[in-house]
Amino acid sequence: QKEVEQDPGPLSVPEGAIVSLNCTYSNSAFQYFMWYRQYSRKGPELLMYTYSSGNKEDGRFTAQVDKSSKYISLFIRDSQPSDSATYLCAMSALGGAQKLVFGQGTRLTINP
Amino acid sequence: DAGITQSPRHKVTETGTPVTLRCHQTENHRYMYWYRQDPGHGLRLIHYSYGVKDTDKGEVSDGYSVSRSKTEDFLLTLESATSSQTSVYFCATSLSEAGGYTFGSGTRLTVV
Repeated sequence: QKEVEQDPGPLSVPEGAIVSLNCTYSNSAFQYFMWYRQYSRKGPELLMYTYSSGNKEDGRFTAQVDKSSKYISLFIRDSQPSDSATYLCAMSALGGAQKLVFGQGTRLTINP
Repeated sequence: DAGITQSPRHKVTETGTPVTLRCHQTENHRYMYWYRQDPGHGLRLIHYSYGVKDTDKGEVSDGYSVSRSKTEDFLLTLESATSSQTSVYFCATSLSEAGGYTFGSGTRLTVV
């Protein structure tokens, strides 16, 4: 079993829809939770960063962490065609170099 | 990302030959990482560095070695390339133990 599980999709939704992306994990030591966005043939870029449990909002994006359920989510409101990309969840434990463990990535397409 | 340069961007090599990929950063970040990205596996950590001459193995380090003689450069060497090492290789850096990564644009390596 992988430490981080993410549905690879693909996921296709109409423009303006609310998108929900999710990851589950098994390692209770994880404390830092992130979402990266990766456009085709580009490197991932950090989108959202959360420490421990709770919610974080940034514009149209909201990240949620539920450590009791070992479950994290990313919500995209008023989705745009420019949001079409692969979204990767990533997480790490405390201490030393931040060795991120990534989910497989979910490919998202927003249709105009 | 302009602060991280990976070279070469593309390479085709023959089985059994040594290959070196270079990552150069201008961010003065302490931590540097090499990941490979494959369909169905997402991003997997190969090796990482927590300072000049300080390196350690990641999840998939067999067949790879690294060196870091200067803060700005992190080299990944495939000692004897195999077809299973055909992949997209990403370099990443982080300033601290908990700040998230900045990724390079990747090197697409094909071993024939």
